[in-house]
Amino acid sequence: GENVEQHPSTLSVQEGDSAVIKCTYSDSASNYFPWYKQELGKRPQLIIDIRSNVGEKKDQRIAVTLNKTAKHFSLHITETQPEDSAVYFCAASKTGNTGKLIFGQGTTLQVKP
Amino acid sequence: DVKVTQSSRYLVKRTGEKVFLECVQDMDHENMFWYRQDPGLGLRLIYFSYDVKMKEKGDIPEGYSVSREKKERFSLILESASTNQTSMYLCASSPTGTNQPQHFGDGTRLSIL
Repeated sequence: GENVEQHPSTLSVQEGDSAVIKCTYSDSASNYFPWYKQELGKRPQLIIDIRSNVGEKKDQRIAVTLNKTAKHFSLHITETQPEDSAVYFCAASKTGNTGKLIFGQGTTLQVKP
Repeated sequence: DVKVTQSSRYLVKRTGEKVFLECVQDMDHENMFWYRQDPGLGLRLIYFSYDVKMKEKGDIPEGYSVSREKKERFSLILESASTNQTSMYLCASSPTGTNQPQHFGDGTRLSIL
């Protein structure tokens, strides 16, 4: 069935360094890839998303890249700050799937001051 | 801004009780979802609904049922609560159409004693 694998499960970086989280999806028909950030005790919130007709998308310090051939996509956070510490989830979806998202297992990012 | 409201942040129930978790969204979204979140397992889909009175099983529907009598409200029902259903439950909604992000509620931390 449809599956999304996310790595690493935990990531610790120094403030100012970059962080990269990678996801691989199994269904080649997937064409929508959102990323969610969940701070401790709060709801998951969409931070960026990309559609399959685009290879890269940036929003200030965050960017997402998509490699359709290899079926993987990545989240890049530059100049990390302590407030970036959270759990990050990737997800994949495809047209006609009634809005259903397949989520990765999550990555706990810790940014050390 | 989309608002998804879950009726309780914390709930404590006893084994064997019938438990109702309520979710209301105010954006006229067609799709609504119930997830269970456990450490290391990410977000697992229990049930979803793409229209009033319509429902589909997700990945882990056993022991749960749902009800959607009105468009804005989606209820999760634990028919006979068991201790292994102690978890964080998240509700989400999204509009119909291709590849739309889901918007989450704050979650209900349910403990079954």
